[in-house]
Amino acid sequence: GAVVSQHPSRVICKSGTSVKIECRSLDFQATTMFWYRQFPKQSLMLMATSNEGSKATYEQGVEKDKFLINHASLTLSTLTVTSAHPEDSSFYICSARDPRRGFEQYFGPGTRLTVT
Amino acid sequence: DQQVKQNSPSLSVQEGRISILNCDYTNSMFDYFLWYKKYPAEGPTFLISISSIKDKNEDGRFTVFLNKSAKHLSLHIVPSQPGDSAVYFCAAQMNRDDKIIFGKGTRLHILP
Repeated sequence: GAVVSQHPSRVICKSGTSVKIECRSLDFQATTMFWYRQFPKQSLMLMATSNEGSKATYEQGVEKDKFLINHASLTLSTLTVTSAHPEDSSFYICSARDPRRGFEQYFGPGTRLTVT
Repeated sequence: DQQVKQNSPSLSVQEGRISILNCDYTNSMFDYFLWYKKYPAEGPTFLISISSIKDKNEDGRFTVFLNKSAKHLSLHIVPSQPGDSAVYFCAAQMNRDDKIIFGKGTRLHILP
């Protein structure tokens, strides 16, 4: 149990376009989802925390107008990178938490975004 | 400013021997520490954790040691197996409900 999926696994987009990444909890209801970004040989950095039905809380230095997060249901959160630039190229990972299972965060497999 | 530091980018260990992965932290407010294992193209999976009120937690082949005075923790894997080859992330939280702060990871290679 506690499976989290992400779609797509890889995406290439042109500079200036927007791209949406989906994060789904497949066998549990995730009241809270987290979005992380990992640059090569760097740690996973938390970008934002989203609670179902409310606005996401962004970490310092993360532009909320650039990284739009929607958590409209208990099983789906989306991250939209708007007006993407090459420096947005990174590995984006989501995680989800079900309070009924405790505080454990279950991670998705990640999405590799390349902006050309 | 890196609050959780893993100073060894990689480590190679002979199969059957003990693997020791180290981690240092700077924030004395951290109350809970976790280790995650990550294979390529997969998300991190939880391995083992320890609360700041303990100095050791053991789960099968995995043991985590915490030295609060030194702000240091280590993960011991014994005996090491080929399937243990992965990237290991050390992580910390101020409380169980708080965000997770990750280190940069250590790539462990288990040699046959």
